[in-house]
Amino acid sequence: GDSVTQMEGPVTLSEEAFLTINCTYTATGYPSLFWYVQYPGEGLQLLLKATKADDKGSNKGFEATYRKETTSFHLEKGSVQVSDSAVYFCALSRSGGSYIPTFGRGTSLIVHP
Amino acid sequence: GAGVSQSPSNKVTEKGKDVELRCDPISGHTALYWYRQSLGQGLEFLIYFQGNSAPDKSGLPSDRFSAERTGGSVSTLTIQRTQQEDSAVYLCASSSALGLASDTQYFGPGTRLTVL
Repeated sequence: GDSVTQMEGPVTLSEEAFLTINCTYTATGYPSLFWYVQYPGEGLQLLLKATKADDKGSNKGFEATYRKETTSFHLEKGSVQVSDSAVYFCALSRSGGSYIPTFGRGTSLIVHP
Repeated sequence: GAGVSQSPSNKVTEKGKDVELRCDPISGHTALYWYRQSLGQGLEFLIYFQGNSAPDKSGLPSDRFSAERTGGSVSTLTIQRTQQEDSAVYLCASSSALGLASDTQYFGPGTRLTVL
């Protein structure tokens, strides 16, 4: 079945550091890929998505490129801020499959001033 | 427009009592999902509605859990005879369910359930 694997956290960085959160997936067909973010005390919200190979999703300085050859969708940001501290979830969804997305376990990011 | 809302935001109950959690999806969204998030854990899928029907109930942990949706809108998740292991944040999400893999899920803020 489908699966999403994320690097384990927490990831602890200083402000203005470079961020990478790794995400790899297993799925048949051509899934869409998502990053959701959960700020403390809130529900998840979409951060970015990519719907086909080589697409790059971007939002709020975050980027992720859909790499079909490596089945990856790594999240990157060039300079993190304290306000980026949150839990980040990688997810996939397939057309033709069930409408239930598959989520990774989440990666906690802590950014210190 | 309004996002997904959930009520109550917090619920403390005694072991053995029944609880009802409510979700109001975004107007016009036909798909609705319930998830459970335990401390330090990822998202655990519980149930999915398309309109008022639930084609997939595979994630419900036990027969103490049930859910319904009426009028293609509001949904309630009911937990009977609550146990301490039911303590978690229960998240609801909705999507337009156009049948596209690119459909985005919109989440509510969650209900934090504590069973004493």
